[in-house]
Order: sequence, then structure tokens, then C-alpha cells
Amino acid sequence: GAVVSQHPSWVICKSGTSVKIECRSLDFQATTMFWYRQFPKQSLMLMATSNEGSKATYEQGVEKDKFLINHASLTLSTLTVTSAHPEDSSFYICSANQGIRANEQFFGPGTRLTVL
Amino acid sequence: RKEVEQDPGPFNVPEGATVAFNCTYSNSASQSFFWYRQDCRKEPKLLMSVYSSGNEDGRFTAQLNRASQYISLLIRDSKLSDSATYLCVVNIKAAGNKLTFGGGTRVLVKP
Repeated sequence: GAVVSQHPSWVICKSGTSVKIECRSLDFQATTMFWYRQFPKQSLMLMATSNEGSKATYEQGVEKDKFLINHASLTLSTLTVTSAHPEDSSFYICSANQGIRANEQFFGPGTRLTVL
Repeated sequence: RKEVEQDPGPFNVPEGATVAFNCTYSNSASQSFFWYRQDCRKEPKLLMSVYSSGNEDGRFTAQLNRASQYISLLIRDSKLSDSATYLCVVNIKAAGNKLTFGGGTRVLVKP
């Protein structure tokens, strides 16, 4: 199957700092990438849909100025958590669509963010 | 009401036994359905798509009931390695390729 990587796999930062998470499709081009957040014992919640070369579409309740998404190429999307606070601590997972069908969505291994 | 609802479990299953669980979805416009598997602290991985006529993949059988808006997953001859959280996932075609995840059903297979 297609491979999606994320970097870093985990990060610990101080409150108020910004953290950038990278999502890369390694062996295919992805016109669409998705960013999810998963809190402990909860399901994945879609944060935003990222399209190459255009602005991301954010889900209701997700602050676009706090979670900056850049999708500059067909293989890379970045999520920057600005001015992180402890409540932003979560598991952030990206996915990328290899094709046009929903079942062709492949997930990265996730990034565990802990904000102290 | 959540868009996709699942019994969180855990379902404690003896090795070799059969386990089945359902998922209900609220949006009748839902078009594509999937079961994903997620291991602890890992990303979800596609287990199988669910087709209208029902489908089987080895020990796993998925069913779709559009009238009652639920899908099911049955695992036969459970293995210890089947222990995981099973996520019910729904896609609405009009929403592009956005996936909506259920809360997951935790399955623990014990020797």
C-alpha cells in the first residue's frame, strides 16, 4: 500500500511555543491530505482538509489561526500548532488520498504532542 | 446524536471464539462504509470496505443494512492478534473524501 510518513513521531514542548508537524506521501502524489486529532479513549476527529495549492478547509470549531496548515506540494502538508497550550496535547494524525475514492486514504503513523 | 455510534466495549473474547458488533450511522446520505483497525498508540489501518451485499475477507465478515442504517463486523476463530480497537467509518460522497469515524469498539482476545 501507499506510505505516508509524519515527523516528528512525538514532541514535548513548553506552553506558548509553536510546533510544526510534517506529513509526507512517500510514493505517491496526494492532491488532498487530511489532519485529524485524537484525544485519549476518543475517536479521530477531522480538523481540516488540505488541498495542494489552496487554503485548507477547517471543520467547525477548529481555529484556523491556531492550527496553520500549508500544503505546498503534492507530497507534503504541514500543520503548525501555534502558541500551544496543555489542552492541545493530543495525537495528531494525517492522511493522504492516493486516488479519488475514499477508501484510498492512507494514514500517517501519527504525532504525539505533549504540551507542558 | 453522534454521526457514527459504536459500543465502546471492551468485548472480551476467548481465543477461537466468534465476536460480532455493530455500528449505527445517522446520515442517510452516507455512501461508503469501512472498518478500520487501530492498535494502541498507532494510526488506523483499513481492515475492509463494506459493500451492500455484504462481504467477507478471511475470518472477517462485514454486513450493511441501509434500511436500519447500521453495519456490522463479525470475526470468526479469533486470534490473540485480533485484539485492537475497531473503528466504524462512514463517507458521504457529497462531502468529498472526508471520513467520519465512530468512537471504536475495543476487542480483547484472551487465551
